[in-house]
Amino acid sequence: DTAVSQTPKYLVTQMGNDKSIKCEQNLGHDTMYWYKQDSKKFLKIMFSYNNKELIINETVPNRFSPKSPDKAHLNLHINSLELGDSAVYFCASSHSVSYNEQFFGPGTRLTVL
Amino acid sequence: AQSVTQLGSHVSVSEGALVLLRCNYSSSVPPYLFWYVQYPNQGLQLLLKYTSAATLVKGINGFEAEFKKSETSFHLTKPSAHMSDAAEYFCAVSEPGANSKLTFGKGITLSVRP
Repeated sequence: DTAVSQTPKYLVTQMGNDKSIKCEQNLGHDTMYWYKQDSKKFLKIMFSYNNKELIINETVPNRFSPKSPDKAHLNLHINSLELGDSAVYFCASSHSVSYNEQFFGPGTRLTVL
Repeated sequence: AQSVTQLGSHVSVSEGALVLLRCNYSSSVPPYLFWYVQYPNQGLQLLLKYTSAATLVKGINGFEAEFKKSETSFHLTKPSAHMSDAAEYFCAVSEPGANSKLTFGKGITLSVRP
């Protein structure tokens, strides 16, 4: 059974388009995260949700909008895609906001042409 | 504010040789520390974690790390490298408490020569 899953695995799109990435965890965790990994493999947190509430928003452009319909899902919607948005996006989850062991999904490689 | 320094970007060892990947951290409170491994085209997998219990932490695949407060270090070691250890390794720090977050180092690529 996959613990943290993301769809799609690969996403190729044109500049200016809007796209979404979905994430689901079946671990029963309360907290979910989105990370961006750039071409130099540097990982940076973007958002964190706890029980469907936003708790961390790390100066991400407002073209990025996370949505958590329930605590098992955290989706990422990106408007007006730019070349610089090309990266690998990872979803992760943890038991709670104060328990930091995080379990990562396989990643979504976004390429903006 | 918390931060992690992983010096160098690439370490190459021979199969069977000692693996040593360095990590130094900065934190305003006693930290939690983690090592993650990323194999090509995969997500991150937790190798081991330090959460204020024993300072020598054993993880999966024969890796271990020692928390040294005086040196603000959490170096990762493995006595004998296998070809399958070739991957990207990330050290991460968090400050325990509500709304805490993981801050990652820039990662180190480990290559293993036959």
